[in-house]
Amino acid sequence: AQTVTQSQPEMSVQEAETVTLSCTYDTSESDYYLFWYKQPPSRQMILVIRQEAYKQQNATENRFSVNFQKAAKSFSLKISDSQLGDAAMYFCAYRTYTGANSKLTFGKGITLSVRP
Amino acid sequence: NAGVTQTPKFQVLKTGQSMTLQCAQDMNHEYMSWYRQDPGMGLRLIHYSVGAGITDQGEVPNGYNVSRSTTEDFPLRLLSAAPSQTSVYFCASSYGAGGLYEQYFGPGTRLTVT
Repeated sequence: AQTVTQSQPEMSVQEAETVTLSCTYDTSESDYYLFWYKQPPSRQMILVIRQEAYKQQNATENRFSVNFQKAAKSFSLKISDSQLGDAAMYFCAYRTYTGANSKLTFGKGITLSVRP
Repeated sequence: NAGVTQTPKFQVLKTGQSMTLQCAQDMNHEYMSWYRQDPGMGLRLIHYSVGAGITDQGEVPNGYNVSRSTTEDFPLRLLSAAPSQTSVYFCASSYGAGGLYEQYFGPGTRLTVT
């Protein structure tokens, strides 16, 4: 079974600085997707960024980028130029590439606070 | 499009009561799922469906029932609520199964069982 581990329960960053959130996963599959979701106080789950395992290039979405290390099974999220609105809970998640039994497996999440 | 809607937003139940959490989507998505979110546990899959008439168990199915009579609706039933079911419940949908397809989440239902 796949597992996703986020070992840091909380992190803090100064506004305008850069922060990296860590995530590791365990799987025996070669094709899969990895995600970072943001959950602000409104509780809504928002997809931040997605990485296909077969792509060597790291995904980037504006101020958000990932460092995907397939061999190490590591998938960290870097937030550049942190803003107050980035304060939220962040979840790392894994999903198989395809298949009827595909399920989204989440890590336990990390709470990010942004200091003004 | 309204996306994924959930009702109610908040609910308080007494132990032993039953209720149904409603979930609907208007995106013609085949894949729908229910998660529960507990502090320090992330989101855990309860049940999922790959299409009308087809459902299967997720990681934590005990105490919950689901059915999928239409593509749009995927209700979650608690037959006899227990305090351990106090949680925030999310419904999600996607066009298909697999990471190819983005999952869209509803706003969640906060359930308290006393």
